[in-house]
Amino acid sequence: NAGVTQTPKFQVLKTGQSMTLQCAQDMNHEYMSWYRQDPGMGLRLIHYSVGAGITDQGEVPNGYNVSRSTTEDFPLRLLSAAPSQTSVYFCASSYSGFSAGYEQYFGPGTRLTVT
Amino acid sequence: AQTVTQSQPEMSVQEAETVTLSCTYDTSENNYYLFWYKQPPSRQMILVIRQEAYKQQNATENRFSVNFQKAAKSFSLKISDSQLGDTAMYFCAFGVQGAQKLVFGQGTRLTINP
Repeated sequence: NAGVTQTPKFQVLKTGQSMTLQCAQDMNHEYMSWYRQDPGMGLRLIHYSVGAGITDQGEVPNGYNVSRSTTEDFPLRLLSAAPSQTSVYFCASSYSGFSAGYEQYFGPGTRLTVT
Repeated sequence: AQTVTQSQPEMSVQEAETVTLSCTYDTSENNYYLFWYKQPPSRQMILVIRQEAYKQQNATENRFSVNFQKAAKSFSLKISDSQLGDTAMYFCAFGVQGAQKLVFGQGTRLTINP
């Protein structure tokens, strides 16, 4: 199993550009989520999904969009990039979102810089 | 809203020493889970240990153990016989049963010196 994969690993955007961060998992996990990691702030939840066709907002959803058309994929879209979105982005998956006790498996992260 | 606080931004110990990382959380819920995740310089997040709130017995995983004090809302991680490979950021995380979200602390950067 590849686990959770993310592409790209690094990305530089100009303010106002849009892009999609890709996330895929091959573990047949129902639950997938996106976090951003900023110095001194830990990981903050952006959006999450408890299954195909179901998404919901996390703590910091503004400026981001998600969809979940398949169990495997959970792309994160930046609609109009801003310097405040400079961060490291992690995708994670777990067996089920209906129990908080399941381990979350994380992707390797995407370092995004917005100039 | 649930919050998780890690009051030690950085810690440094010598190899083979024991180190304890602190974590406190705030919740009115009774059924929840607590985690410690490790993030080495490779950036990959790895689960270290997990504790169910309904279990009074503290979780252990080889050299890693926790001190779970439910009444005090405290969840510290003890690393015994520390190794150079333990150098990493450590994040405490909290999840309420059914809430579908994990809340992370700010992280503690741990350095193990040779």
